[in-house]
Amino acid sequence: RKEVEQDPGPFNVPEGATVAFNCTYSNSASQSFFWYRQDCRKEPKLLMSVYSSGNEDGRFTAQLNRASQYISLLIRDSKLSDSATYLCVVNAGSYIPTFGRGTSLIVHP
Amino acid sequence: GAVVSQHPSRVICKSGTSVKIECRSLDFQATTMFWYRQFPKQSLMLMATSNEGSKATYEQGVEKDKFLINHASLTLSTLTVTSAHPEDSSFYICSAGVNTEAFFGQGTRLTVV
Repeated sequence: RKEVEQDPGPFNVPEGATVAFNCTYSNSASQSFFWYRQDCRKEPKLLMSVYSSGNEDGRFTAQLNRASQYISLLIRDSKLSDSATYLCVVNAGSYIPTFGRGTSLIVHP
Repeated sequence: GAVVSQHPSRVICKSGTSVKIECRSLDFQATTMFWYRQFPKQSLMLMATSNEGSKATYEQGVEKDKFLINHASLTLSTLTVTSAHPEDSSFYICSAGVNTEAFFGQGTRLTVV
């Protein structure tokens, strides 16, 4: 089993739709969790950290489920500009982040 | 946030030549930097961990003699792809961590012809 697993997609959704991605991790000692966004041929950029209590930033909501070892990202009211690859990142404490393969999102008019 | 600068952003080289990629932390000191490689439609794969003042730690399957890493100062790590082959063509990216957040260089797209 891979350390961090994501459905690669693509998720193809119309503008205004709500879409959710999940990411599972295998290391129960993982301490920090993040969602990064990567546009084509660009470096990944932090979208949001994922806290145990869950967190929300505008149209984006991240949740952590330690018992089932997964994190989720919910995007409401999708915009065309949300089209990108969303990377799940897990850090087990040594600060060598482990990346998921990424989930591709395509938002169409 | 912290700034990591990577250079060059794009390079095309001939088979058999060597290519050096630089990664600089501009506004913080990084005792550790990470080098990743990403093939199309694949995830970022950690190649090696660069440690200032000591030898780099390579991930399994990464040839240390082919991918030379030098981390001579707290703000600069370099990755040299030696005797490059077309299969080395990829997107290489460095990162450094600050307070558990990863900051990335802009990435280098290497094409070996």
